[in-house]
Amino acid sequence: EAGVAQSPRYKIIEKRQSVAFWCNPISGHATLYWYQQILGQGPKLLIQFQNNGVVDDSQLPKDRFSAERLKGVDSTLKIQPAKLEDSAVYLCASSLGTRLAGVETQYFGPGTRLLVL
Amino acid sequence: AQSVTQLGSHVSVSEGALVLLRCNYSSSVPPYLFWYVQYPNQGLQLLLKYTSAATLVKGINGFEAEFKKSETSFHLTKPSAHMSDAAEYFCAVSDGGDYKLSFGAGTTVTVRA
Repeated sequence: EAGVAQSPRYKIIEKRQSVAFWCNPISGHATLYWYQQILGQGPKLLIQFQNNGVVDDSQLPKDRFSAERLKGVDSTLKIQPAKLEDSAVYLCASSLGTRLAGVETQYFGPGTRLLVL
Repeated sequence: AQSVTQLGSHVSVSEGALVLLRCNYSSSVPPYLFWYVQYPNQGLQLLLKYTSAATLVKGINGFEAEFKKSETSFHLTKPSAHMSDAAEYFCAVSDGGDYKLSFGAGTTVTVRA
């Protein structure tokens, strides 16, 4: 079974530029998550999708970050304009999203490492 | 709201020695608890999870964790460290309502030959 795919793996940009990250979840997974992991910290949830609808985006800085999940499969996270403090690893994760019972395992991609200069 | 605290940002052990990583949680409802491992330049991989069944949970790679409600703890152990255990370990908690995970700051494990 293929895992969660992300691209690019690394990105270096200057502040005030824009950048986009792409995520392809595990096939059949309805729930998709974007996390921000700043060096020395644990991952912080930015946004959670159930199919193509947003479940939670309370931690997403909406003045500069946006995300979409068209057709309930792939997702794109965008930052515009980037700030120095956006330097981090951006992780995408997915889970089955059946919501039948309990908490599902989230499967993580390798992440995109962003450096803003 | 739930949260976790991982005691010790760095742990160094000798190969063959016990690995003990500490995690304390805070949750207003019975929690679901997880341990993830992250190898350099890779995503997070699930080691084990507690979902209110047995309090002693066995995971992959010889790791296990014990849920202690009275101590609000979920410490991770491995009896004998291997060089391949060098990585960063994250404890996470969820209240199960919306599947959101709250992660601790992580503990980096180094293994000495």
